[in-house]
Amino acid sequence: KQEVTQIPAALSVPEGENLVLNCSFTDSAIYNLQWFRQDPGKGLTSLLLIQSSQREQTSGRLNASLDKSSGRSTLYIAASQPGDSATYLCAVNIQGGSEKLVFGKGTKLTVNP
Amino acid sequence: NAGVTQTPKFRVLKTGQSMTLLCAQDMNHEYMYWYRQDPGMGLRLIHYSVGEGTTAKGEVPDGYNVSRLKKQNFLLGLESAAPSQTSVYFCASTLRPLSGSSYNEQFFGPGTRLTVL
Repeated sequence: KQEVTQIPAALSVPEGENLVLNCSFTDSAIYNLQWFRQDPGKGLTSLLLIQSSQREQTSGRLNASLDKSSGRSTLYIAASQPGDSATYLCAVNIQGGSEKLVFGKGTKLTVNP
Repeated sequence: NAGVTQTPKFRVLKTGQSMTLLCAQDMNHEYMYWYRQDPGMGLRLIHYSVGEGTTAKGEVPDGYNVSRLKKQNFLLGLESAAPSQTSVYFCASTLRPLSGSSYNEQFFGPGTRLTVL
């Protein structure tokens, strides 16, 4: 059974710092990996999607990497801002025919002014 | 586009009552999903649908039923609510993947917060 783990569970950093969020998964047979952001009381917003054949994706200050063989992904946030404060979730697509996702429990990020 | 919408936003039920949660999407997505999110448990898949008229069980389907009579709507039903079904429910949708290796992001609704007393 696929399991997705995110470390750390919570992270507090000062504004301007570069930071890395980690995601690991137990079964390397995935179709893609997706990073989401969730603000308190809100739904999930997709940030980046990495296909299984790709190594990384970039969007603005965000960069996500994928190492399928080792079962790891990282989300790098450059020059963090208070507006980046949210919970970040990673999810792996375990079945290409149905696009079923298995989620980690998330990392709660607080960026202090 | 409104994206994915969910109705209602909040609901309080008594044990044994029934209700239906409605999810609608205007992006012409073939695939739709219902998840529940609980503290310490993360998001878990309840049921999903890969097309109009088809549904399948996810990780935690017991106590729930679903229907996909129209492509744009996916309904989640609780026939006899239990306190263990107190949760935040999210609906999501995505396009059918292209042939080959291209897979698509999932889009989520704002959630329905359900409390069962």
